[in-house]
Amino acid sequence: EAGVAQSPRYKIIEKRQSVAFWCNPISGHATLYWYQQILGQGPKLLIQFQNNGVVDDSQLPKDRFSAERLKGVDSTLKIQPAKLEDSAVYLCASSTLAGANTGELFFGEGSRLTVL
Amino acid sequence: SQQGEEDPQALSIQEGENATMNCSYKTSINNLQWYRQNSGRGLVHLILIRSNEREKHSGRLRVTLDTSKKSSSLLITASRAADTASYFCATAPQNTGNQFYFGTGTSLTVIP
Repeated sequence: EAGVAQSPRYKIIEKRQSVAFWCNPISGHATLYWYQQILGQGPKLLIQFQNNGVVDDSQLPKDRFSAERLKGVDSTLKIQPAKLEDSAVYLCASSTLAGANTGELFFGEGSRLTVL
Repeated sequence: SQQGEEDPQALSIQEGENATMNCSYKTSINNLQWYRQNSGRGLVHLILIRSNEREKHSGRLRVTLDTSKKSSSLLITASRAADTASYFCATAPQNTGNQFYFGTGTSLTVIP
């Protein structure tokens, strides 16, 4: 079974530029998450999709971050314009549509962003 | 913040010893999970414990949960060099839609 795919693995940009990350979840997984992991910290939830609808985006900095999940499969996360503090690894995870008592997350390898 | 906290932040042990790390959280939960992250990689699920469970085992892993203290511990027995990684707890708070909040992590180094 193929895992969660993310691209690009690495990206270096200058501040105020834009960047986009792509995620392809495990086939059949209805729920998709984007997490931001700053070096030395735990992952921070940015946005959660269930199929193509947003369940929670309360921690997404909406003035510069946007995300979409067209057709309930692939997802893109965009940052425009980027700030120095956006330097982090952006992790995509997916899980099956299940009750709150289950729900193992499957993570991709992450996209490492460096903003200069 | 709903993020949990792991303790200690860093742990260094000799191969063959046991490693214990703790997680504290703030809100009532449906379940708590532990994940491992090797350097530069994504997170890998280790074990899930539900709020009505007190202890769970998986291979060399033992997880306990004390909902009255809002805390959990992960014990890795007979550690190996390959266990060197960061370990995170993730909580699924009640009354949320399958959201998971990660702690700050414990960096474990197992010395061969």
